[in-house]
Amino acid sequence: GAGVSQSPRYKVTKRGQDVALRCDPISGHVSLYWYRQALGQGPEFLTYFNYEAQQDKSGLPNDRFSAERPEGSISTLTIQRTEQRDSAMYRCASSLATDPYEQYFGPGTRLTVT
Amino acid sequence: GEDVEQSLFLSVREGDSSVINCTYTDSSSTYLYWYKQEPGAGLQLLTYIFSNMDMKQDQRLTVLLNKKDKHLSLRIADTQTGDSAIYFCAERIFSGNTPLVFGKGTRLSVIA
Repeated sequence: GAGVSQSPRYKVTKRGQDVALRCDPISGHVSLYWYRQALGQGPEFLTYFNYEAQQDKSGLPNDRFSAERPEGSISTLTIQRTEQRDSAMYRCASSLATDPYEQYFGPGTRLTVT
Repeated sequence: GEDVEQSLFLSVREGDSSVINCTYTDSSSTYLYWYKQEPGAGLQLLTYIFSNMDMKQDQRLTVLLNKKDKHLSLRIADTQTGDSAIYFCAERIFSGNTPLVFGKGTRLSVIA
Protein backbone atom coordinates (compact mmCIF):
# COMPACT_ATOMS: atom_id res chain seq x y z
CA GLY A 1 0.00 0.00 0.00
CA ALA A 2 0.94 3.64 -0.09
CA GLY A 3 3.51 4.83 2.39
CA VAL A 4 3.86 8.17 4.12
CA SER A 5 4.05 11.00 1.62
CA GLN A 6 5.38 14.51 2.15
CA SER A 7 5.21 17.60 0.02
CA PRO A 8 6.98 19.48 -1.25
CA ARG A 9 10.11 17.32 -1.42
CA TYR A 10 12.29 20.41 -1.75
CA LYS A 11 11.53 23.96 -0.71
CA VAL A 12 13.77 26.98 -1.13
CA THR A 13 12.49 30.14 0.49
CA LYS A 14 13.78 33.55 1.38
CA ARG A 15 14.38 34.53 4.96
CA GLY A 16 11.28 36.03 6.50
CA GLN A 17 8.79 34.08 4.39
CA ASP A 18 6.32 31.57 5.83
CA VAL A 19 6.37 27.94 4.71
CA ALA A 20 3.91 25.07 5.09
CA LEU A 21 5.06 21.48 4.95
CA ARG A 22 2.54 18.72 4.40
CA CYS A 23 2.45 15.12 5.57
CA ASP A 24 0.00 12.46 4.44
CA PRO A 25 0.28 9.42 6.75
CA ILE A 26 -0.39 5.78 6.01
CA SER A 27 -4.12 5.19 5.94
CA GLY A 28 -5.42 4.07 9.31
CA HIS A 29 -2.39 5.23 11.26
CA VAL A 30 -3.51 6.95 14.42
CA SER A 31 -0.29 8.69 15.33
CA LEU A 32 1.71 11.21 13.32
CA TYR A 33 5.12 12.56 14.26
CA TRP A 34 7.26 15.43 13.01
CA TYR A 35 11.05 15.30 13.29
CA ARG A 36 13.80 17.59 12.06
CA GLN A 37 17.16 16.25 10.87
CA ALA A 38 20.21 18.43 10.47
CA LEU A 39 23.09 17.29 8.30
CA GLY A 40 25.15 14.61 10.04
CA GLN A 41 22.63 14.22 12.85
CA GLY A 42 19.81 11.89 13.70
CA PRO A 43 16.19 13.01 13.55
CA GLU A 44 15.06 15.14 16.49
CA PHE A 45 11.50 15.16 17.72
CA LEU A 46 9.38 18.26 17.11
CA THR A 47 5.76 17.34 17.85
CA TYR A 48 3.22 14.54 17.50
CA PHE A 49 -0.49 13.85 17.26
CA ASN A 50 -2.82 11.05 18.19
CA TYR A 51 -5.79 11.45 15.86
CA GLU A 52 -6.33 15.21 15.69
CA ALA A 53 -5.03 15.95 19.20
CA GLN A 54 -1.55 17.37 19.55
CA GLN A 55 -0.03 15.32 22.35
CA ASP A 56 3.35 16.93 22.80
CA LYS A 57 4.90 19.99 21.19
CA SER A 58 7.86 20.29 23.50
CA GLY A 59 10.30 19.77 20.64
CA LEU A 60 9.17 22.79 18.63
CA PRO A 61 12.14 25.22 18.76
CA ASN A 62 10.11 28.41 19.26
CA ASP A 63 6.71 29.93 18.64
CA ARG A 64 7.38 30.44 14.92
CA PHE A 65 6.76 26.70 14.54
CA SER A 66 3.28 25.25 14.69
CA ALA A 67 1.52 22.11 13.51
CA GLU A 68 -2.00 20.93 13.02
CA ARG A 69 -3.88 17.79 12.05
CA PRO A 70 -7.48 19.02 11.94
CA GLU A 71 -9.19 15.84 10.70
CA GLY A 72 -6.84 13.29 12.17
CA SER A 73 -5.21 12.49 8.86
CA ILE A 74 -3.09 14.99 6.90
CA SER A 75 -0.86 17.26 8.97
CA THR A 76 0.75 20.59 8.21
CA LEU A 77 3.89 21.95 9.86
CA THR A 78 4.09 25.72 9.47
CA ILE A 79 7.16 27.84 10.00
CA GLN A 80 6.57 31.57 10.13
CA ARG A 81 9.18 34.22 9.37
CA THR A 82 11.76 31.63 8.38
CA GLU A 83 15.39 32.04 9.37
CA GLN A 84 18.52 30.46 7.91
CA ARG A 85 18.88 28.23 10.96
CA ASP A 86 15.55 26.59 10.03
CA SER A 87 17.24 24.95 7.03
CA ALA A 88 17.08 21.18 7.53
CA MET A 89 15.32 18.00 6.45
CA TYR A 90 11.85 17.81 7.96
CA ARG A 91 10.61 14.26 8.37
CA CYS A 92 7.17 12.94 9.11
CA ALA A 93 6.32 9.47 10.43
CA SER A 94 3.13 7.63 11.26
CA SER A 95 2.27 4.60 13.35
CA LEU A 96 -0.59 2.41 14.48
CA ALA A 97 -1.78 2.55 18.07
CA THR A 98 -0.65 -1.00 18.86
CA ASP A 99 2.64 -2.54 19.97
CA PRO A 100 5.40 -2.25 18.78
CA TYR A 101 4.26 1.14 17.48
CA GLU A 102 6.57 0.97 14.48
CA GLN A 103 7.06 4.40 12.99
CA TYR A 104 7.18 4.57 9.20
CA PHE A 105 8.85 7.60 7.73
CA GLY A 106 8.13 9.63 4.64
CA PRO A 107 10.83 10.83 2.22
CA GLY A 108 11.18 14.17 3.98
CA THR A 109 11.07 17.80 2.87
CA ARG A 110 14.43 19.49 2.39
CA LEU A 111 13.98 23.13 3.44
CA THR A 112 16.59 25.70 2.46
CA VAL A 113 16.24 29.26 3.71
CA THR A 114 18.36 31.75 1.81
CA GLY B 1 18.24 12.70 30.28
CA GLU B 2 17.86 10.77 27.07
CA ASP B 3 20.94 10.18 24.98
CA VAL B 4 21.76 7.62 22.31
CA GLU B 5 25.37 7.22 21.25
CA GLN B 6 26.78 5.54 18.17
CA SER B 7 30.18 5.43 16.56
CA LEU B 8 30.13 7.51 13.39
CA PHE B 9 31.86 5.28 10.84
CA LEU B 10 32.37 1.60 10.06
CA SER B 11 34.09 0.08 7.06
CA VAL B 12 33.91 -3.63 6.18
CA ARG B 13 34.74 -5.86 3.25
CA GLU B 14 31.98 -7.41 1.20
CA GLY B 15 31.05 -10.82 2.59
CA ASP B 16 32.26 -10.04 6.12
CA SER B 17 29.96 -9.41 9.06
CA SER B 18 29.25 -5.85 10.23
CA VAL B 19 28.54 -4.99 13.84
CA ILE B 20 27.07 -1.58 14.59
CA ASN B 21 26.95 -0.60 18.24
CA CYS B 22 24.73 1.76 20.20
CA THR B 23 24.50 2.79 23.85
CA TYR B 24 21.54 4.47 25.47
CA THR B 25 21.09 6.07 28.83
CA ASP B 26 17.45 5.63 29.79
CA SER B 27 16.85 2.33 31.54
CA SER B 28 13.10 2.68 31.09
CA SER B 29 13.34 2.27 27.31
CA THR B 30 10.58 -0.05 26.14
CA TYR B 31 11.51 -0.70 22.52
CA LEU B 32 14.72 -0.14 20.61
CA TYR B 33 14.81 0.19 16.83
CA TRP B 34 17.25 0.14 13.98
CA TYR B 35 16.64 2.31 10.91
CA LYS B 36 18.55 2.45 7.62
CA GLN B 37 18.98 5.63 5.58
CA GLU B 38 20.28 5.41 2.04
CA PRO B 39 21.43 8.53 0.15
CA GLY B 40 18.48 10.66 -0.88
CA ALA B 41 16.00 8.28 0.70
CA GLY B 42 13.83 8.25 3.78
CA LEU B 43 14.38 6.25 6.94
CA GLN B 44 13.60 2.58 6.53
CA LEU B 45 12.68 0.57 9.63
CA LEU B 46 14.91 -2.52 9.68
CA THR B 47 14.04 -4.23 12.93
CA TYR B 48 13.22 -3.65 16.58
CA ILE B 49 13.60 -5.41 19.90
CA PHE B 50 11.48 -5.28 23.03
CA SER B 51 13.37 -4.41 26.19
CA ASN B 52 12.69 -7.77 27.85
CA MET B 53 14.45 -9.66 25.03
CA ASP B 54 18.16 -10.38 24.71
CA MET B 55 18.33 -11.26 21.05
CA LYS B 56 16.28 -11.11 17.89
CA GLN B 57 17.22 -12.61 14.54
CA ASP B 58 15.70 -11.64 11.21
CA GLN B 59 17.37 -13.17 8.13
CA ARG B 60 20.84 -11.56 7.89
CA LEU B 61 20.17 -9.24 10.83
CA THR B 62 20.82 -10.09 14.48
CA VAL B 63 20.01 -7.64 17.26
CA LEU B 64 21.61 -8.11 20.66
CA LEU B 65 20.46 -6.20 23.73
CA ASN B 66 22.39 -5.97 26.99
CA LYS B 67 19.99 -4.12 29.23
CA LYS B 68 22.37 -4.08 32.20
CA ASP B 69 25.00 -2.20 30.18
CA LYS B 70 22.38 -0.34 28.08
CA HIS B 71 24.09 -1.60 24.95
CA LEU B 72 22.43 -2.51 21.67
CA SER B 73 24.10 -3.95 18.58
CA LEU B 74 23.08 -4.77 15.03
CA ARG B 75 24.97 -7.51 13.24
CA ILE B 76 24.65 -7.82 9.48
CA ALA B 77 25.86 -11.17 8.17
CA ASP B 78 27.43 -11.50 4.71
CA THR B 79 27.49 -7.72 4.21
CA GLN B 80 26.78 -6.59 0.65
CA THR B 81 27.53 -3.34 -1.17
CA GLY B 82 23.80 -2.61 -1.02
CA ASP B 83 24.09 -2.46 2.76
CA SER B 84 26.15 0.74 2.50
CA ALA B 85 24.06 3.36 4.28
CA ILE B 86 23.68 5.24 7.55
CA TYR B 87 22.21 3.14 10.36
CA PHE B 88 20.34 4.83 13.20
CA CYS B 89 19.64 3.37 16.60
CA ALA B 90 16.49 4.75 18.28
CA GLU B 91 14.79 4.21 21.62
CA ARG B 92 11.23 4.67 22.69
CA ILE B 93 11.31 5.57 26.34
CA PHE B 94 7.66 5.68 27.26
CA SER B 95 5.07 3.01 26.65
CA GLY B 96 2.50 3.60 23.98
CA ASN B 97 2.83 5.54 20.77
CA THR B 98 5.36 8.17 21.78
CA PRO B 99 8.29 9.81 20.00
CA LEU B 100 11.64 8.17 19.38
CA VAL B 101 15.07 9.38 20.46
CA PHE B 102 17.67 8.78 17.74
CA GLY B 103 21.43 8.48 17.75
CA LYS B 104 23.52 10.41 15.24
CA GLY B 105 23.88 7.40 12.99
CA THR B 106 26.73 5.12 11.89
CA ARG B 107 27.87 5.36 8.28
CA LEU B 108 28.60 1.86 7.01
CA SER B 109 30.87 1.58 3.97
CA VAL B 110 31.16 -1.78 2.27
CA ILE B 111 34.30 -2.34 0.23
CA ALA B 112 33.99 -4.70 -2.72
